[in-house]
Amino acid sequence: KAGVTQTPRYLIKTRGQQVTLSCSPISGHRSVSWYQQTPGQGLQFLFEYFSETQRNKGNFPGRFSGRQFSNSRSEMNVSTLELGDSALYLCASSLDRTVSYEQYFGPGTRLTVT
Amino acid sequence: SQQGEEDPQALSIQEGENATMNCSYKTSINNLQWYRQNSGRGLVHLILIRSNEREKHSGRLRVTLDTSKKSSSLLITASRAADTASYFCATDPGGYQKVTFGIGTKLQVIP
Repeated sequence: KAGVTQTPRYLIKTRGQQVTLSCSPISGHRSVSWYQQTPGQGLQFLFEYFSETQRNKGNFPGRFSGRQFSNSRSEMNVSTLELGDSALYLCASSLDRTVSYEQYFGPGTRLTVT
Repeated sequence: SQQGEEDPQALSIQEGENATMNCSYKTSINNLQWYRQNSGRGLVHLILIRSNEREKHSGRLRVTLDTSKKSSSLLITASRAADTASYFCATDPGGYQKVTFGIGTKLQVIP
């Protein structure tokens, strides 16, 4: 069974630009969560989606948004990029996180904002 | 703010020794999980312990949970160089509430 895939793996953007990151969960998984990882703040929760509905959202500004499609694939978008948005963005999937709990993580997208 | 906080933040041991990492959290949980991360890559799930369990084993891993003290520990026995990684605890309050990760313990196992 293929694991969680994230594209692109690496991205370099300039301040003020916007970016879209993609996550394909494991086949059959309906929960997708996004996390931002930085050396100073560790892993911070961004959002969780289940069957195209956002279940929860972390404490991030409105520049961070996401969505989930009917095939469970998910995207997150960051508009008006700031230097502080440089981070590893991780996506995790599970059958239904509120039931099976365990999350499977993708390799991440390393975003650098210059 | 982080729900879980690991201690120590860094640990260096010789191969064959045991490694113990601790996690403290602040609010009630449904379950607590431990994950491993190698060199800034994705996290790998190691073990899950539910709030009504006190101890769990998986291979060379042993996890304990003390809900009265709001703390958990991860013990890796007979460590190997391949165990070198960062280890994170994650607390799940249950339901639709978010999972919160600690800041991690960076483990180095010296061959």
